Amino acid sequence: AQSVTQLDSHVSVSEGTPVLLRCNYSSSYSPSLFWYVQHPNKGLQLLLKYTSAATLVKGINGFEAEFKKSETSFHLTKPSAHMSDAAEYFCVVAPINTDKLIFGTGTRLQVFP
Amino acid sequence: KAGVTQTPRYLIKTRGQQVTLSCSPISGHRSVSWYQQTPGQGLQFLFEYFSETQRNKGNFPGRFSGRQFSNSRSEMNVSTLELGDSALYLCASSLGFGGEETQYFGPGTRLLVL
Repeated sequence: AQSVTQLDSHVSVSEGTPVLLRCNYSSSYSPSLFWYVQHPNKGLQLLLKYTSAATLVKGINGFEAEFKKSETSFHLTKPSAHMSDAAEYFCVVAPINTDKLIFGTGTRLQVFP
Repeated sequence: KAGVTQTPRYLIKTRGQQVTLSCSPISGHRSVSWYQQTPGQGLQFLFEYFSETQRNKGNFPGRFSGRQFSNSRSEMNVSTLELGDSALYLCASSLGFGGEETQYFGPGTRLLVL
Protein backbone atom coordinates (compact mmCIF):
# COMPACT_ATOMS: atom_id res chain seq x y z
CA ALA A 1 0.00 0.00 0.00
CA GLN A 2 1.15 3.53 -0.68
CA SER A 3 1.37 6.26 1.92
CA VAL A 4 2.97 9.59 2.67
CA THR A 5 4.22 10.95 5.97
CA GLN A 6 4.68 14.62 6.57
CA LEU A 7 7.22 14.87 9.31
CA ASP A 8 6.19 18.25 10.72
CA SER A 9 2.68 19.39 11.52
CA HIS A 10 3.82 23.00 11.98
CA VAL A 11 6.78 24.95 10.62
CA SER A 12 7.53 28.56 11.51
CA VAL A 13 10.02 30.74 9.63
CA SER A 14 10.86 34.39 9.36
CA GLU A 15 10.20 36.24 6.13
CA GLY A 16 13.19 36.01 3.84
CA THR A 17 14.56 32.78 5.36
CA PRO A 18 14.51 29.35 3.68
CA VAL A 19 11.58 26.98 3.92
CA LEU A 20 11.84 23.19 4.26
CA LEU A 21 8.74 21.03 4.48
CA ARG A 22 9.53 17.33 4.81
CA CYS A 23 7.71 14.42 3.23
CA ASN A 24 8.52 10.72 3.12
CA TYR A 25 6.63 8.30 0.95
CA SER A 26 6.09 4.58 0.85
CA SER A 27 5.49 2.85 -2.45
CA SER A 28 6.34 -0.45 -4.02
CA TYR A 29 7.02 1.24 -7.33
CA SER A 30 8.07 4.67 -8.57
CA PRO A 31 5.09 6.84 -7.69
CA SER A 32 3.64 10.11 -8.90
CA LEU A 33 4.11 12.67 -6.15
CA PHE A 34 2.59 16.09 -5.72
CA TRP A 35 2.65 19.05 -3.40
CA TYR A 36 -0.54 21.04 -2.99
CA VAL A 37 -1.10 24.22 -0.99
CA GLN A 38 -4.30 25.31 0.71
CA HIS A 39 -4.81 28.86 1.86
CA PRO A 40 -7.47 29.49 4.54
CA ASN A 41 -10.98 28.80 3.34
CA LYS A 42 -9.75 27.93 -0.14
CA GLY A 43 -9.43 24.82 -2.24
CA LEU A 44 -6.18 23.06 -3.07
CA GLN A 45 -3.71 24.54 -5.52
CA LEU A 46 -1.06 22.43 -7.25
CA LEU A 47 2.48 23.58 -6.44
CA LEU A 48 4.42 20.93 -8.32
CA LYS A 49 4.39 17.37 -9.60
CA TYR A 50 6.92 14.57 -9.95
CA THR A 51 6.41 11.81 -12.48
CA SER A 52 9.93 10.38 -12.94
CA ALA A 53 11.05 12.80 -15.67
CA ALA A 54 13.52 14.68 -13.44
CA THR A 55 14.37 14.31 -9.77
CA LEU A 56 14.42 18.07 -9.11
CA VAL A 57 11.03 19.54 -9.79
CA LYS A 58 10.36 23.25 -9.99
CA GLY A 59 6.95 24.56 -9.12
CA ILE A 60 5.11 27.81 -8.84
CA ASN A 61 5.97 30.72 -6.54
CA GLY A 62 9.63 29.70 -6.24
CA PHE A 63 9.00 26.30 -4.66
CA GLU A 64 10.86 23.18 -5.68
CA ALA A 65 11.12 19.59 -4.50
CA GLU A 66 13.68 16.87 -4.92
CA PHE A 67 12.76 13.22 -5.34
CA LYS A 68 15.28 11.00 -3.51
CA LYS A 69 14.53 7.35 -4.08
CA SER A 70 17.26 6.13 -1.71
CA GLU A 71 15.72 8.15 1.12
CA THR A 72 12.09 7.78 -0.06
CA SER A 73 11.74 11.51 0.41
CA PHE A 74 10.15 14.35 -1.52
CA HIS A 75 10.90 17.45 0.53
CA LEU A 76 9.58 20.87 -0.49
CA THR A 77 11.89 23.88 -0.34
CA LYS A 78 11.91 27.58 -1.08
CA PRO A 79 14.99 29.80 -0.72
CA SER A 80 13.20 32.79 0.75
CA ALA A 81 9.82 32.76 2.47
CA HIS A 82 7.21 35.40 1.80
CA MET A 83 4.31 36.35 4.02
CA SER A 84 1.92 35.10 1.34
CA ASP A 85 3.39 31.59 1.69
CA ALA A 86 1.61 31.12 5.01
CA ALA A 87 -0.78 28.22 4.36
CA GLU A 88 -1.19 24.48 4.76
CA TYR A 89 0.87 22.26 2.52
CA PHE A 90 0.01 18.70 1.55
CA CYS A 91 2.30 16.04 0.18
CA VAL A 92 0.35 13.62 -1.99
CA VAL A 93 1.04 10.28 -3.64
CA ALA A 94 -0.99 9.00 -6.55
CA PRO A 95 -1.26 5.27 -7.20
CA ILE A 96 -1.30 4.17 -10.82
CA ASN A 97 -4.58 3.34 -12.56
CA THR A 98 -6.65 5.42 -10.20
CA ASP A 99 -7.41 9.04 -9.45
CA LYS A 100 -7.50 8.28 -5.74
CA LEU A 101 -4.96 10.63 -4.22
CA ILE A 102 -3.44 9.74 -0.87
CA PHE A 103 -2.80 12.84 1.21
CA GLY A 104 -0.37 13.46 4.01
CA THR A 105 -1.68 15.03 7.18
CA GLY A 106 -0.47 18.47 6.15
CA THR A 107 2.11 20.96 7.37
CA ARG A 108 0.99 24.38 8.49
CA LEU A 109 3.57 26.99 7.52
CA GLN A 110 3.68 30.21 9.51
CA VAL A 111 5.76 33.13 8.25
CA PHE A 112 6.72 35.87 10.70
CA PRO A 113 7.71 39.38 9.61
CA LYS B 1 -9.95 28.55 -19.18
CA ALA B 2 -12.33 28.44 -16.24
CA GLY B 3 -11.35 26.29 -13.28
CA VAL B 4 -13.34 23.70 -11.41
CA THR B 5 -16.53 25.17 -10.02
CA GLN B 6 -18.54 23.85 -7.12
CA THR B 7 -22.01 24.83 -6.01
CA PRO B 8 -23.18 25.77 -3.55
CA ARG B 9 -20.17 27.16 -1.69
CA TYR B 10 -21.83 27.01 1.71
CA LEU B 11 -24.66 24.92 3.01
CA ILE B 12 -26.39 24.49 6.36
CA LYS B 13 -28.57 21.44 6.92
CA THR B 14 -30.07 19.63 9.88
CA ARG B 15 -29.60 16.02 10.89
CA GLY B 16 -31.64 13.59 8.85
CA GLN B 17 -31.89 15.80 5.78
CA GLN B 18 -30.20 15.04 2.49
CA VAL B 19 -27.95 17.23 0.39
CA THR B 20 -26.72 17.34 -3.20
CA LEU B 21 -23.47 19.02 -4.16
CA SER B 22 -22.48 19.86 -7.70
CA CYS B 23 -19.14 20.00 -9.47
CA SER B 24 -18.37 21.30 -12.94
CA PRO B 25 -14.93 20.19 -14.17
CA ILE B 26 -12.53 22.15 -16.31
CA SER B 27 -13.67 22.11 -19.91
CA GLY B 28 -12.39 18.96 -21.63
CA HIS B 29 -11.70 17.09 -18.41
CA ARG B 30 -13.39 13.72 -18.20
CA SER B 31 -12.43 12.56 -14.75
CA VAL B 32 -13.93 13.86 -11.51
CA SER B 33 -13.01 12.89 -7.96
CA TRP B 34 -14.52 13.88 -4.63
CA TYR B 35 -12.81 14.32 -1.27
CA GLN B 36 -13.98 15.09 2.23
CA GLN B 37 -11.83 17.31 4.42
CA THR B 38 -12.30 17.49 8.18
CA PRO B 39 -9.97 18.70 10.95
CA GLY B 40 -9.93 15.27 12.54
CA GLN B 41 -9.59 12.97 9.53
CA GLY B 42 -7.86 15.25 7.07
CA LEU B 43 -8.47 14.71 3.37
CA GLN B 44 -10.23 11.47 2.51
CA PHE B 45 -11.14 10.11 -0.88
CA LEU B 46 -14.85 9.60 -1.53
CA PHE B 47 -15.17 8.43 -5.13
CA GLU B 48 -13.98 8.97 -8.67
CA TYR B 49 -15.76 9.00 -11.98
CA PHE B 50 -14.51 8.70 -15.52
CA SER B 51 -16.80 8.74 -18.54
CA GLU B 52 -19.89 8.45 -16.33
CA THR B 53 -18.59 5.32 -14.60
CA GLN B 54 -17.58 5.11 -10.97
CA ARG B 55 -14.04 3.74 -11.01
CA ASN B 56 -13.27 3.70 -7.33
CA LYS B 57 -14.96 4.35 -4.02
CA GLY B 58 -13.51 5.27 -0.68
CA ASN B 59 -14.40 3.86 2.70
CA PHE B 60 -17.62 5.77 3.30
CA PRO B 61 -21.09 4.48 4.16
CA GLY B 62 -23.73 3.97 1.50
CA ARG B 63 -25.34 7.27 2.47
CA PHE B 64 -22.69 8.87 0.28
CA SER B 65 -23.34 8.47 -3.41
CA GLY B 66 -22.48 10.22 -6.62
CA ARG B 67 -22.87 10.27 -10.33
CA GLN B 68 -21.38 11.80 -13.43
CA PHE B 69 -23.28 13.11 -16.41
CA SER B 70 -22.42 12.90 -20.08
CA ASN B 71 -20.99 16.44 -20.00
CA SER B 72 -18.62 15.30 -17.19
CA ARG B 73 -20.40 17.35 -14.54
CA SER B 74 -20.74 15.43 -11.31
CA GLU B 75 -22.99 15.45 -8.30
CA MET B 76 -22.61 13.86 -4.93
CA ASN B 77 -25.46 13.15 -2.58
CA VAL B 78 -25.47 12.53 1.14
CA SER B 79 -28.65 11.15 2.62
CA THR B 80 -29.74 11.08 6.26
CA LEU B 81 -27.15 13.65 7.30
CA GLU B 82 -25.25 13.19 10.53
CA LEU B 83 -23.36 15.78 12.57
CA GLY B 84 -20.09 14.12 11.53
CA ASP B 85 -20.78 14.88 7.89
CA SER B 86 -19.92 18.52 8.53
CA ALA B 87 -16.89 19.08 6.35
CA LEU B 88 -15.39 20.78 3.35
CA TYR B 89 -16.20 18.72 0.26
CA LEU B 90 -13.71 19.14 -2.53
CA CYS B 91 -14.08 18.15 -6.13
CA ALA B 92 -11.14 17.66 -8.49
CA SER B 93 -10.99 17.13 -12.23
CA SER B 94 -8.36 15.78 -14.57
CA LEU B 95 -8.03 15.22 -18.30
CA GLY B 96 -7.78 11.48 -18.12
CA PHE B 97 -7.71 8.74 -15.59
CA GLY B 98 -4.71 7.47 -13.71
CA GLY B 99 -2.08 8.46 -11.18
CA GLU B 100 0.06 10.57 -13.48
CA GLU B 101 -2.81 12.87 -14.36
CA THR B 102 -2.80 16.16 -12.50
CA GLN B 103 -5.96 16.81 -10.55
CA TYR B 104 -7.21 20.38 -10.28
CA PHE B 105 -9.35 21.22 -7.30
CA GLY B 106 -12.37 23.45 -6.94
CA PRO B 107 -12.90 25.83 -4.01
CA GLY B 108 -15.07 23.33 -2.16
CA THR B 109 -18.51 23.26 -0.60
CA ARG B 110 -18.55 23.80 3.13
CA LEU B 111 -21.36 21.78 4.68
CA LEU B 112 -22.52 22.38 8.23
CA VAL B 113 -24.93 19.88 9.76
CA LEU B 114 -26.82 21.07 12.84
